[in-house]
Amino acid sequence: DGGITQSPKYLFRKEGQNVTLSCEQNLNHDAMYWYRQDPGQGLRLIYYSQIVNDFQKGDIAEGYSVSREKKESFPLTVTSAQKNPTAFYLCASSMNRGPPPEAFFGQGTRLTVV
Amino acid sequence: AQKVTQAQTEISVVEKEDVTLDCVYETRDTTYYLFWYKQPPSGELVFLIRRNSFDEQNEISGRYSWNFQKSTSSFNFTITASQVVDSAVYFCALSEARGGSEKLVFGKGTKLTVNP
Repeated sequence: DGGITQSPKYLFRKEGQNVTLSCEQNLNHDAMYWYRQDPGQGLRLIYYSQIVNDFQKGDIAEGYSVSREKKESFPLTVTSAQKNPTAFYLCASSMNRGPPPEAFFGQGTRLTVV
Repeated sequence: AQKVTQAQTEISVVEKEDVTLDCVYETRDTTYYLFWYKQPPSGELVFLIRRNSFDEQNEISGRYSWNFQKSTSSFNFTITASQVVDSAVYFCALSEARGGSEKLVFGKGTKLTVNP
């Protein structure tokens, strides 16, 4: 089935560690996104990529890094510089032409700092 | 700057009641797109509807309907005869129409609980 797969579903990080969240899509979409969701805050954009080997900062990029080496993959690294990383992280993808398309979302990764 | 406001944080209704979720937006663009997404307990967001700024016709899809009014910058969502399966968080979102993939600006969401 076509879709977006995020892994792991739950992730625990110790203070000072970097962790990487995986996002893979088989929808042949050019664009991919990472959002952070906090209770009562809605979704905020961390990074997005419209094409392989290119990505742009979103509204809350500090403390995060991404790569886009393959069309299907857009991993997010939460670095030790992110002061409050505990949150629900959602990856999405969409087509990259025409009017703003609907985005397809993964089931999310819940990151907790212990 | 773009902004989406969903003033209702949580709504609780009894099954079969009708319920309206409010969405008010701000943008300086004359061409833009509005979206509604549903987030069930499983976590992923599910696309419900996209509407461009030039199309003010109301839309109905089964028990769902949407009322778009540019004069009040609102894009409200009504569920008729609500069901327990409608329980979820609903997000309204806005995107500028610059072509190609665009980032969405989301409201903070409205948590709907439908009780049996």
